[in-house]
Amino acid sequence: DAMVIQNPRYQVTQFGKPVTLSCSQTLNHNVMYWYQQKSSQAPKLLFHYYDKDFNNEADTPDNFQSRRPNTSFCFLDIRSPGLGDAAMYLCATSRDRAGGDTQYFGPGTRLTVL
Amino acid sequence: GQNIDQPTEMTATEGAIVQINCTYQTSGFNGLFWYQQHAGEAPTFLSYNVLDGLEEKGRFSSFLSRSKGYSYLLLKELQMKDSASYLCAVTDSNYQLIWGAGTKLIIKP
Repeated sequence: DAMVIQNPRYQVTQFGKPVTLSCSQTLNHNVMYWYQQKSSQAPKLLFHYYDKDFNNEADTPDNFQSRRPNTSFCFLDIRSPGLGDAAMYLCATSRDRAGGDTQYFGPGTRLTVL
Repeated sequence: GQNIDQPTEMTATEGAIVQINCTYQTSGFNGLFWYQQHAGEAPTFLSYNVLDGLEEKGRFSSFLSRSKGYSYLLLKELQMKDSASYLCAVTDSNYQLIWGAGTKLIIKP
């Protein structure tokens, strides 16, 4: 089945210790997104790739970086996690960026920072 | 600024009907999505409206009025598994998806 996969599902890291979250997709979609979602809040878009074109949101902290080495994979790097970075991180894909293009989400990675 | 408003929480009874409202103020409009999100899980797509009117899909229906900046999600014959958060999201003129905070729906037996 075509899908969006995220690994790991749960990640525990220590304050300041770099962590990488991964996302892969078999949908062959052009666009990949990374969202941060905290409890009872809306998903917050961190950045997205349209093919290889990287688009960073203005308020995304420099602590967050992303890589998309090929169409299928996208990584989220948190260089020095703080306690405030504990959240669910959602990867999503869409075929294009047109108005009606549905975003399909992976199961998410729940990050705990100790 | 861009804004999506939904009630924070609603309660309904199993077998009943519930309507979840969403109002939006965005820079442009290119469609409105409803997503369902169970606790601790990712959002899953429910519906998309870009023209005014009602879209029916089984037990779920979604309505849009662009002139009023308003949508609702109607859930019929509620089941316990419908307990979840329901997120309204609007695509603006830059094709960016603006998300509401979601409505937590609690279903009671």
